[in-house]
Amino acid sequence: GESVGLHLPTLSVQEGDNSIINCAYSNSASDYFIWYKQESGKGPQFIIDIRSNMDKRQGQRVTVLLNKTVKHLSLQIAATQPGDSAVYFCAAPSGGSYIPTFGRGTSLIVHP
Amino acid sequence: DTAVSQTPKYLVTQMGNDKSIKCEQNLGHDTMYWYKQDSKKFLKIMFSYNNKELIINETVPNRFSPKSPDKAHLNLHINSLELGDSAVYFCASSPTGGRDGYTFGSGTRLTVV
Repeated sequence: GESVGLHLPTLSVQEGDNSIINCAYSNSASDYFIWYKQESGKGPQFIIDIRSNMDKRQGQRVTVLLNKTVKHLSLQIAATQPGDSAVYFCAAPSGGSYIPTFGRGTSLIVHP
Repeated sequence: DTAVSQTPKYLVTQMGNDKSIKCEQNLGHDTMYWYKQDSKKFLKIMFSYNNKELIINETVPNRFSPKSPDKAHLNLHINSLELGDSAVYFCASSPTGGRDGYTFGSGTRLTVV
């Protein structure tokens, strides 16, 4: 099955800096990727997704980059704010069911 | 209006007991899921139901039994609770196929003592 993993368990940044959270996946046939944000005491919330026919997708202050050659994707958060402090997950579908396999998550800590 | 709601939010119980967690979604989604999140934040799929039918059953002890009375509800019943069952359990739903994202509930923190 698919395996996804984030590179760092914890990322600390200063408020106003840009944050980059990296994720690797194992299945080269994966064609859909999702980033989730999980705040303390809450369930994961959808942030942004990207399909494999794209290399880049932008949202509000977030950008996801997909490098299919090395099976890597990243989430970039511009001008990080204290409200961005959360655990971030990347997810990729497993097999043909499109049920996402989640990595362990990266805890983003934003210092004021 | 809560899109995916789980009850209870907290559940503390003794080993050996049987407990249930309820989940309801009002999004009109066809597919519902149960995930387990451990203390290290690892989020793992347990079950998936599409239109009341089980489509995914990962390696989960048979003490865990999901029940879907209709496509808006997916309840999780756990028999003979063990210490290792302590975790946060999340219900989620998605349109069929799941390619348009998932909506998660706020979780049920189960503590087995």
